Amino acid sequence: QKEVEQDPGPLSVPEGAIVSLNCTYSNSAFQYFMWYRQYSRKGPELLMYTYSSGNKEDGRFTAQVDKSSKYISLFIRDSQPSDSATYLCAMSGVENTDKLIFGTGTRLQVFP
Amino acid sequence: GAGVSQTPSNKVTEKGKYVELRCDPISGHTALYWYRQSLGQGPEFLIYFQGTGAADDSGLPNDRFFAVRPEGSVSTLKIQRTERGDSAVYLCASSLRPGGEGYTFGSGTRLTVV
Repeated sequence: QKEVEQDPGPLSVPEGAIVSLNCTYSNSAFQYFMWYRQYSRKGPELLMYTYSSGNKEDGRFTAQVDKSSKYISLFIRDSQPSDSATYLCAMSGVENTDKLIFGTGTRLQVFP
Repeated sequence: GAGVSQTPSNKVTEKGKYVELRCDPISGHTALYWYRQSLGQGPEFLIYFQGTGAADDSGLPNDRFFAVRPEGSVSTLKIQRTERGDSAVYLCASSLRPGGEGYTFGSGTRLTVV
């Protein structure tokens, strides 16, 4: 079993839809939770960063962390075709190491 | 520079050859990371430098892989006796200080071993 599980998709939605992306994890020691967006042939770009449990909102994006369930989510409101990309969840904070553990990524397509 | 620069952007090499992949981090960033991303997968950690020293090299898959950062800026990932399974995108990231919040990734080097 992988440390971080993420549905690879693809997920196809119409423009304007609310998108929900999720990851589950097994290591309760994770403390920092991130969502990255990756366009084709580009490096990952940080979207959201959350420490411990709770919600964080930034524009059309909302990140939620539920440590008791080992479950994190990213919601995208009013989705746009430009949101079409792969979304990667990532976690860190185990044993004072700085490395990130990524999910496999969910490919999202928003069609006009 | 404005971002993390990786060269070359693409590299095709024959099985058994030696390759070097270069990363130019953002100026002033002391932390530098190498990750490897296979097709359809998320990036996997290889090595982390804080300054000139490798603070964590636990992700290097075997002794064919080696990385250096001699002056605390540019880093080179070196792969000896390449194998077809080494084919992947090699990503470099840097940050002003340790911590995932400040990571900036480069666009990667796409390595193909034939």
